[in-house]
Amino acid sequence: QVQLQQWGAGLLRPSETLSLTCAVYGASFSDNYWSWIRQPPGKGLEWIGEINHSGTTNYNPSLKSRFTISVDTSKNQFSLKLNSVTAADTAVYFCARGRRPPQRDYFDYWGQGTLVTVSS
Amino acid sequence: SFELTQPPSASVAPGKTARITCGGNNIGTKSVHWYQQKPGQAPVLVVRYDSDRPSGIPDRFSGSKSGNTATLTISRVEAGDEADYHCQVWDSGSDHRVVFGGGTKLTVL
Repeated sequence: QVQLQQWGAGLLRPSETLSLTCAVYGASFSDNYWSWIRQPPGKGLEWIGEINHSGTTNYNPSLKSRFTISVDTSKNQFSLKLNSVTAADTAVYFCARGRRPPQRDYFDYWGQGTLVTVSS
Repeated sequence: SFELTQPPSASVAPGKTARITCGGNNIGTKSVHWYQQKPGQAPVLVVRYDSDRPSGIPDRFSGSKSGNTATLTISRVEAGDEADYHCQVWDSGSDHRVVFGGGTKLTVL
């Protein structure tokens, strides 16, 4: 049974750093790309980027490289970091299992989501 | 940049058929995937590759595509189908990125 479990700080002040981690259980970490996706309150889903076991990353160009995704294969974990958050970064952040190369397709397993609120 | 357009809302009576559309330029050349998201929960994949249902998804859920529009059809709608529905593609143009539609809130009357 594939499970993704995520954690991280839920309340940040402007200019602080967002840091989230997602642990993968029951799946081969090396077969897929692993993504971060966010959803502002009351809005749609926005793909942030992806990483594979080798550390190869792809990011959403619309987010202007504000995010950094990293991987720790020894723990089957991947992480998301965003420096200097603003109120506009308030959202539920999800980790998800993505494509198996060479396919570019869908997300079949998701973490439970973490609400990150940026407020002074 | 590539965009997917969904109606913000749709409504249907129990037992009837709901159709949710997802429009995008040249969507016919891309594989469309659909997710159901209930309040406070993560999205669940209900249709992949335009019309294929993952294991465990009822056959009341189906997908199709014609021209520049993909459609998610839910037959014999139940109260438990009330949720947000999101379409998704990979834009493999110059940007190489995942694109989601804005989501459609389905209300069961």
